[in-house]
Amino acid sequence: QQQVKQSPQSLIVQKGGISIINCAYENTAFDYFPWYQQFPGKGPALLIAIRPDVSEKKEGRFTISFNKSAKQFSLHIMDSQPGDSATYFCAASGSGGTSYGKLTFGQGTILTVHP
Amino acid sequence: NAGVTQTPKFQVLKTGQSMTLQCAQDMNHNSMYWYRQDPGMGLRLIYYSASEGTTDKGEVPNGYNVSRLNKREFSLRLESAAPSQTSVYFCASSEVLGLFYGYTFGSGTRLTVV
Repeated sequence: QQQVKQSPQSLIVQKGGISIINCAYENTAFDYFPWYQQFPGKGPALLIAIRPDVSEKKEGRFTISFNKSAKQFSLHIMDSQPGDSATYFCAASGSGGTSYGKLTFGQGTILTVHP
Repeated sequence: NAGVTQTPKFQVLKTGQSMTLQCAQDMNHNSMYWYRQDPGMGLRLIYYSASEGTTDKGEVPNGYNVSRLNKREFSLRLESAAPSQTSVYFCASSEVLGLFYGYTFGSGTRLTVV
C-alpha cells in the first residue's frame, strides 16, 4: 500500500527552467512533509520540509507548495541547474497513530537538468 | 563528523546464505531505522528502533531481524537470503522519534542475492 504517490517518475529540464514534482497522500494523520535529495551512490539528504499550518515554504531556489484539502504537496525548483540533477523523494509522517515518527516515502523522481 | 556509517558497501550473497548489515551513528541520536530502496518503490521501512533497547517492525519486515546493540549501533540480519532481498539498504538515525530535525542517512549497502 503506497500511502504517498509521487509523479513524475523522471523529469528532464533545461538549465534555468522550473522543475516541478508532485506528491499526493492518503493518510489524514500525516502532518510533516519533507523532501529529500539523493545523489548517485549516496544516501538521501533532507532538502526542505513543511507542516500543514502553512501553504508554502521557500528556501533559496526550492519551494514547497502544500494543499491540505487536496492532500497534495509539490516541490518547485526555480532556475534549475545541472548540479540539481538527482533523485528527489517526497515523504510524510504523522504525530500520532501508526505513522508516528516514521517517514513514508514516495516512489522518487529522477531529475536531469541539461546544460 | 562521520554521521551514519554502514558496512559493507557492497555484498553478493547466494540464496540461503546469511549476513548482517552493520550501522553505527556518532551523533548521539536516540532513534535508528533500516530502509530498503528499490526502483520505482521509493524507500520502505524495514525495522526501526525508537530508543536503545526497543525495536519495532516497519512496512516490510519479513525475512529480516534487527538488533539495537547499544545507542550507537543498529544491525540488520538476513537469516536466509532470497533474490527478492536484492536491494540497496539504508540505515538512518534521528534525534528522537517524532521530533523532526531530519533523518541522517548512511551511504547505503548494495546487496545482490543470486
